[in-house]
Amino acid sequence: GQQLNQSPQSMFIQEGEDVSMNCTSSSIFNTWLWYKQDPGEGPVLLIALYKAGELTSNGRLTAQFGITRKDSFLNISASIPSDVGIYFCAGSLNTGTASKLTFGTGTRLQVTL
Amino acid sequence: GAVVSQHPSWVICKSGTSVKIECRSLDFQATTMFWYRQFPKQSLMLMATSNEGSKATYEQGVEKDKFLINHASLTLSTLTVTSAHPEDSSFYICSARDGRGTSMFFGPGTRLTVL
Repeated sequence: GQQLNQSPQSMFIQEGEDVSMNCTSSSIFNTWLWYKQDPGEGPVLLIALYKAGELTSNGRLTAQFGITRKDSFLNISASIPSDVGIYFCAGSLNTGTASKLTFGTGTRLQVTL
Repeated sequence: GAVVSQHPSWVICKSGTSVKIECRSLDFQATTMFWYRQFPKQSLMLMATSNEGSKATYEQGVEKDKFLINHASLTLSTLTVTSAHPEDSSFYICSARDGRGTSMFFGPGTRLTVL
């Protein structure tokens, strides 16, 4: 199936640094979601974006829905060790309970002390 | 956010046996649930859409007779891996949207190991 391209694939940063990752698609989406997955667990929703150009924050996390509706980015400020994990973007064309998600390839984040 | 649970969290079985995985929405009703498979160091791949009271919709390349889905109530969907083989070993995750349909919530996943 289709996947969204995420970059970078992996990142090694020091505690306290800011992180930026992005997600691009060849087709438009009407909803963008960002998830974090820890090893052996399901993805946990971080931020949901519903409108082109929308900028939304959740604590140290900020995400934006690209104006072209083909991309989104996620920033993490002042990283801490518990930010370690895999971050996935996901897009969907429609809202509604039956609407499917297409996932990004993931960005693996490692934080060193 | 909404809560989705899965049972079991892990299962080890012999080749040729069938394994059933349950997915429950705990604090909302879900007419639609989704089943994903995730191989190590890879992203989630959608297998099928589970529809309450009707047949599941499978993604291209997913064998419907191999992965049986039943969505008998508004809070429970089950995935049965029939005649499991080692190549079916994977992390299986379900998800559902909450009542407003705006956000998707995932279960904690089930690790299946087929010997």
